[in-house]
Amino acid sequence: GENVEQHPSTLSVQEGDSAVIKCTYSDSASNYFPWYKQELGKRPQLIIDIRSNVGEKKDQRIAVTLNKTAKHFSLHITETQPEDSAVYFCAARGANNAGNMLTFGGGTRLMVKP
Amino acid sequence: DVKVTQSSRYLVKRTGEKVFLECVQDMDHENMFWYRQDPGLGLRLIYFSYDVKMKEKGDIPEGYSVSREKKERFSLILESASTNQTSMYLCASRFRDRRTAGNTIYFGEGSWLTVV
Repeated sequence: GENVEQHPSTLSVQEGDSAVIKCTYSDSASNYFPWYKQELGKRPQLIIDIRSNVGEKKDQRIAVTLNKTAKHFSLHITETQPEDSAVYFCAARGANNAGNMLTFGGGTRLMVKP
Repeated sequence: DVKVTQSSRYLVKRTGEKVFLECVQDMDHENMFWYRQDPGLGLRLIYFSYDVKMKEKGDIPEGYSVSREKKERFSLILESASTNQTSMYLCASRFRDRRTAGNTIYFGEGSWLTVV
């Protein structure tokens, strides 16, 4: 089955700096890659996603890039703010995955210092 | 706005007890899921359900069972709780995935279970 690895597990940045979180996946047939943000004590919520026919997608200060050849995708947050502090999860959905299940990475705890 | 509600936010149970975690969604979603969240391990799928009375094992089903008698409700059951089941449990739902790529999964607030 699909295996998703996420790095780093913790990331501390100064307010205003950029943050990058990287994920690799094992199933070359995977075709959907969402990112979820989980604030302390809250539910994970989708912040951005990308499909395999697209190389990059942006939404204001966040962007996701996908390299299908290398089987990795990354989340980029620019001009970080304290409210960006949260745990971020990447996920991948394999095309051969019965039930269209997502496999999640281990999570990255992002801390933005004011 | 999609609402996925988990009945209990915090529970403390004794080893060997039978535990029920309840989840209700109000968006008429066909698919429902139970995940377990542990530090460094991300979200791991325990069980999922395509629709009413349907259930499929996820990646870590051992020690768990589920029930989906009504479309809006998906219950996770720990038949005999053990200390290694101390964790955060997340319920989620989505519309049936008719496309080749995924659609959004909506999560509940989570249930913190401590087994002593």
